[in-house]
Amino acid sequence: AQSVTQLGSHVSVSEGALVLLRCNYSSSVPPYLFWYVQYPNQGLQLLLKYTSAATLVKGINGFEAEFKKSETSFHLTKPSAHMSDAAEYFCAVSDFNTDKLIFGTGTRLQVFP
Amino acid sequence: EADIYQTPRYLVIGTGKKITLECSQTMGHDKMYWYQQDPGMELHLIHYSYGVNSTEKGDLSSESTVSRIRTEHFPLTLESARPSHTSQYLCASSDDGYGYTFGSGTRLTVV
Repeated sequence: AQSVTQLGSHVSVSEGALVLLRCNYSSSVPPYLFWYVQYPNQGLQLLLKYTSAATLVKGINGFEAEFKKSETSFHLTKPSAHMSDAAEYFCAVSDFNTDKLIFGTGTRLQVFP
Repeated sequence: EADIYQTPRYLVIGTGKKITLECSQTMGHDKMYWYQQDPGMELHLIHYSYGVNSTEKGDLSSESTVSRIRTEHFPLTLESARPSHTSQYLCASSDDGYGYTFGSGTRLTVV
């Protein structure tokens, strides 16, 4: 069965610093992988998705993620954090048997001035 | 502009009341989902539907019920609200494995 693990429930960075949010997946078949962002009192918004095409995926708001099969990872990065990036971020994998998304437990990103 | 709508956004209600949380989507998606999200952030799937007249319980047991009479509409009902039902409820729809589109959520408080 597919699963995802997000390392670090809280990440803090200074404005302008690199953002790195970690996600490792477990899947017996090539997975579809997703990153979502949730701002306070909002639903989840799709940042980017990997569906077996290019391994480096670019998303909205300057975020990108790289699919690394050898490391079973799909880490989310942004070169320079903005205050507006403060939010919760969820990694997810698609279960091919059920078409359901399996979410990680989330990482709260704080950005300090 | 949102393609999936949840109403109300916020609801404060007394114990024992019956409530219905509305969710509608305009994308023609067959698959729809309800998640419960507590302050610790983790998302718990409580109901899903793969089409009209098809509903299933999710991974987290819930006292709520759902119906799917029309493709675009997937309401969630609590017959008798309790303080333990206080949470955020998120509705989503999908088009076969390419990710979900989420509504803005309903934050429910039962007093």
